[in-house]
Formats: sequence, structure tokens, C-alpha cells
Amino acid sequence: AQSVTQLDSHVSVSEGTPVLLRCNYSSSYSPSLFWYVQHPNKGLQLLLKYTSAATLVKGINGFEAEFKKSETSFHLTKPSAHMSDAAEYFCVVSVDYGQNFVFGPGTSLSVLT
Amino acid sequence: DSGVTQTPKHLITATGQRVTLRCSPRSGDLSVYWYQQSLDQGLQFLIQYYNGEERAKGNILERFSAQQFPDLHSELNLSSLELGDSALYFCASSVGNRGGTDTQYFGPGTRLTVL
Repeated sequence: AQSVTQLDSHVSVSEGTPVLLRCNYSSSYSPSLFWYVQHPNKGLQLLLKYTSAATLVKGINGFEAEFKKSETSFHLTKPSAHMSDAAEYFCVVSVDYGQNFVFGPGTSLSVLT
Repeated sequence: DSGVTQTPKHLITATGQRVTLRCSPRSGDLSVYWYQQSLDQGLQFLIQYYNGEERAKGNILERFSAQQFPDLHSELNLSSLELGDSALYFCASSVGNRGGTDTQYFGPGTRLTVL
């Protein structure tokens, strides 16, 4: 079975500073990994996904994530935070024909002026 | 806008009642997934349909059922509602059947409040 741990339930950064949202996963098989963002009262939007190609994945809005198999991690980063990045971020692990998407508990990102 | 539509946006009902949530997938997508998002349980996968057939089941209660119709829209039926069923219900769709690697596109959700 798969599982996801998001190490921080809440992260605060100042506008213009780097963002790091941490995600560790557990999977018996080669996983696919995703990051989704949920703005208040909105649905979930895909930021990026990893499916066994390049380990450094670039997504929308300047976000990227690096798959590190040895550390079972898939941390999300952005060089410079913007006010519009304030939202809830979910790390997701999945395997083919498995339990489908398994969501992490989410990390709430606040961006301070 | 993901292209996935859900109706209604909000639903308020009483305990013991039955409701139906509706989802239309993106054009061309054959799979539909249902999720429940609540404060205590987080986001949980309920069930997946592919081209009209049930493909995978998650933490779906026996009081809940779903189906996917020939035009590929899906309905989630919740019956004998309890206070704890109050949550945001999301529908997602994807092109294929490979729930693992297919990107899922999410609708805006239906907020269910059970009083």
C-alpha cells in the first residue's frame, strides 16, 4: 500500500523568498507522484507530476519538484513566493491499478507581505 | 477551469435523507473518480468508473453508491445521511483507465451540509 507524509501542516514565507514544501512517500512499487494546489473554495489544480522520466519536474507557476528515490521524497520548491501562491498544497502518490490516488494531509502555505 | 463540472455547488439537507451529486467529465475522458474531503479525514478516494464500469473502490460506505451513464456523466448517491457525511465531494476525470499514472482533473466540488 502507498502512503504520503507531508512534514509541515503549515508553512509561512515572505513574498519574494523561496518556498519549500516537503513530501515523503511510501510505495511498494514504482510510484507516480503529483502535487496539486487548492485555493480557498476552489477545486484542485495539478501543479506537476512525476512518472519515472526526468527526476526534476517543472510545473506551472514556477514550481518544480525533485524525485529522490533514495530519500523517498518529492519536495516542492519555488524560488520566489508570490501572494497568489497562498493555498493548500497536496502531495499525491499512486501506482498503476492500485489504490488510485493517495493524498497527503496537505500543507497550508501563507505568503506574508 | 479544468473542464469537469459538478452540480450542485452547495447542498443542505437533513439527517436520514438521500441526495444525488452529479459530475460531467472533461470531453474525451472515460474515467470518473469520486473523492470526499473532510477536516478530520482529509481527501479520500471513494470510487472510480471507467467507461460505465466500476474499476476501483476506496473508502466508500455501503450507504453510498455511484454509477456512470452511457454519456459518461456520473452520479454519486448518498443515502441515510448522517452529520458526519458533511464534506466537500470532488469529482475528477482522466483519459484512461490507468488510475495510477493518468493525470486526474478535478471539478470545483459539491459542498454537502447535513443538519
